[in-house]
Amino acid sequence: NAGVTQTPKFQVLKTGQSMTLQCAQDMNHNSMYWYRQDPGMGLRLIYYSASEGTTDKGEVPNGYNVSRLNKREFSLRLESAAPSQTSVYFCASRLANEKLFFGSGTQLSVL
Amino acid sequence: GQQLNQSPQSMFIQEGEDVSMNCTSSSIFNTWLWYKQDPGEGPVLLIALYKAGELTSNGRLTAQFGITRKDSFLNISASIPSDVGIYFCAGLPSGTSYGKLTFGQGTILTVHP
Repeated sequence: NAGVTQTPKFQVLKTGQSMTLQCAQDMNHNSMYWYRQDPGMGLRLIYYSASEGTTDKGEVPNGYNVSRLNKREFSLRLESAAPSQTSVYFCASRLANEKLFFGSGTQLSVL
Repeated sequence: GQQLNQSPQSMFIQEGEDVSMNCTSSSIFNTWLWYKQDPGEGPVLLIALYKAGELTSNGRLTAQFGITRKDSFLNISASIPSDVGIYFCAGLPSGTSYGKLTFGQGTILTVHP
């Protein structure tokens, strides 16, 4: 049982490049989330999807887009990466009224 | 948005010592959660609290939901080297979904053998 799987684990981009972070969960969870983690800032919600077919902005959505491809997969896209988007990104999923399960993270550097 | 202040930011302790950390909020929460993050991994839930005044234990860990509903505390007794990591509090305001879950800044714990 893999839980929440994120790819890639590490990525280096140049300013202006685009990329998509992939997330998949095999726990049949309804809700999925994308967070970013920065030193001294805790985890901040970028976007979330309460159920298949819906997405909503979180606290820091600017510069990002998301797609809930199906119940299992929730991707995060950076259309034009900026150095301010250097961070560790975590995907998480949750069944109603249960705890969040996190993936192991993607470390992204934008030069 | 909501603000959570977690303290201390970091702790350096000797194995066997007890540890205390806390979170305070500018507004009322109806759920408090405590997570631990090991290096290179995502956070894992340690303890969940749902009622003001609630005191819950998980092994050597004990957490409390403050009476004012604006704070929470985590204690670790008799620390061991594997307690090393980052501890996060998280709070959920009343009547909201997990889309409104707010995390504290984290407490980095280092345990010297």
